[in-house]
Amino acid sequence: DAGVIQSPRHEVTEMGQEVTLRCKPISGHNSLFWYRQTMMRGLELLIYFNNNVPIDDSGMPEDRFSAKMPNASFSTLKIQPSEPRDSAVYFCASSSLTGGKTQYFGPGTRLLVL
Amino acid sequence: GQNIDQPTEMTATEGAIVQINCTYQTSGFNGLFWYQQHAGEAPTFLSYNVLDGLEEKGRFSSFLSRSKGYSYLLLKELQMKDSASYLCAVRDQGPGGSYIPTFGRGTSLIVHP
Repeated sequence: DAGVIQSPRHEVTEMGQEVTLRCKPISGHNSLFWYRQTMMRGLELLIYFNNNVPIDDSGMPEDRFSAKMPNASFSTLKIQPSEPRDSAVYFCASSSLTGGKTQYFGPGTRLLVL
Repeated sequence: GQNIDQPTEMTATEGAIVQINCTYQTSGFNGLFWYQQHAGEAPTFLSYNVLDGLEEKGRFSSFLSRSKGYSYLLLKELQMKDSASYLCAVRDQGPGGSYIPTFGRGTSLIVHP
């Protein structure tokens, strides 16, 4: 079984550039979560979708961050413009709404903004 | 909102037993998870408790007391590969009626020979 797929795995960019992170959830899962992990703040929920609809984006740091889920098998998290403080590991996770309790995490995207 | 507390770091000896505690405050509790995260990797699911009591799964056990807002993860017969961060996550009701987990900062466990 393919797990949650994220791309790219590593991204190094310069301040001010646009960054797009991609996620493909596990087939059949209808909840998708974007997290950010740093040493200082731990694992923070940014936004989550149920059935492709954004339910709670209160964790999105500011307007520079946006997320979309155009269909059940694809989601993007975009940062525009990026800043050095956005440097972190960004995880995507998916789970099943009906009966499933466990979140399955992707390998993460390690973002470094210079 | 939620407040989840767990120790920052613990050390233990190979072959020993270690207990990692987690305390939480929440208004709409709907389950507690433990995840393991090795350095540079994604969190992986270990256990889930929604009722009071002990859940045992091989060398790992997880305990929950809802009235006390308390859980622990017990690791027996420690192995070097158990060196990792252990994340406590509490599921609470969010917008839209969905239940979403909030993660603690994690406990870094170091197992030494």
